[in-house]
Amino acid sequence: QVTLKESGPALVKPTQTLTLTCTFSGFSLSTSGVCVSWIRQPPGKALEWLALIDWNDDKYYSTSLKTRLTISKDTSKNQVVLTMTNMDPVDTGTYYCARSRDTAMVTLDYWGQGTLVTVSS
Amino acid sequence: EIVLTQSPATLSVSPGETVTLSCRASQSVVYNLAWYQHKPGQAPRLLIYGASTRATGIPARFSGGGSGTEFTLTISSLQSEDFAVYFCQQYDKWPPVTFGQGTKLQIK
Repeated sequence: QVTLKESGPALVKPTQTLTLTCTFSGFSLSTSGVCVSWIRQPPGKALEWLALIDWNDDKYYSTSLKTRLTISKDTSKNQVVLTMTNMDPVDTGTYYCARSRDTAMVTLDYWGQGTLVTVSS
Repeated sequence: EIVLTQSPATLSVSPGETVTLSCRASQSVVYNLAWYQHKPGQAPRLLIYGASTRATGIPARFSGGGSGTEFTLTISSLQSEDFAVYFCQQYDKWPPVTFGQGTKLQIK
């Protein structure tokens, strides 16, 4: 059974760095083709893809946010970590991690339930 | 970046009806489009990929169609558990993966 769960602070102050962890089970991020993405959804707005890391440790970022984002993985712990620097109130939203079985076809077949992050002083 | 536009934003329907949701891409994504269902407080659920292939465990009342820039998601004989937000996603040209803004299906 594949599961993913996001964890991290519920509240961060402006200018701080956000660190989110996606802990997963039921698959291995060392399996060829497998990848994990981070996606966010501001309140009342559309989903926004942030970053992806694949089994080969290749990393891809949102063009508009790539200067602020770092994605990494710890295969032994079954975790993917996303850091976002210089947080702003507009970064408030629910952050999700999701798996894809194949980087050639990035369909997100399993998602976590999301973690709400509020940016406020 | 490929922009996906969904219509309508909100759809009010009665259980038992059949509905069709639309997703239009700003350029061709061939068949590389997926549909998801999202209920409040829950993880999004993959319904359709490859424009028309149902994901594992998805009931046959969900069907996807289209290619290129025009796609549809049809839900037949709506059941109470189908009232949710539906969004499309393209994976033809990434990064970035992009999503539509969603269609909220609500009970009339």
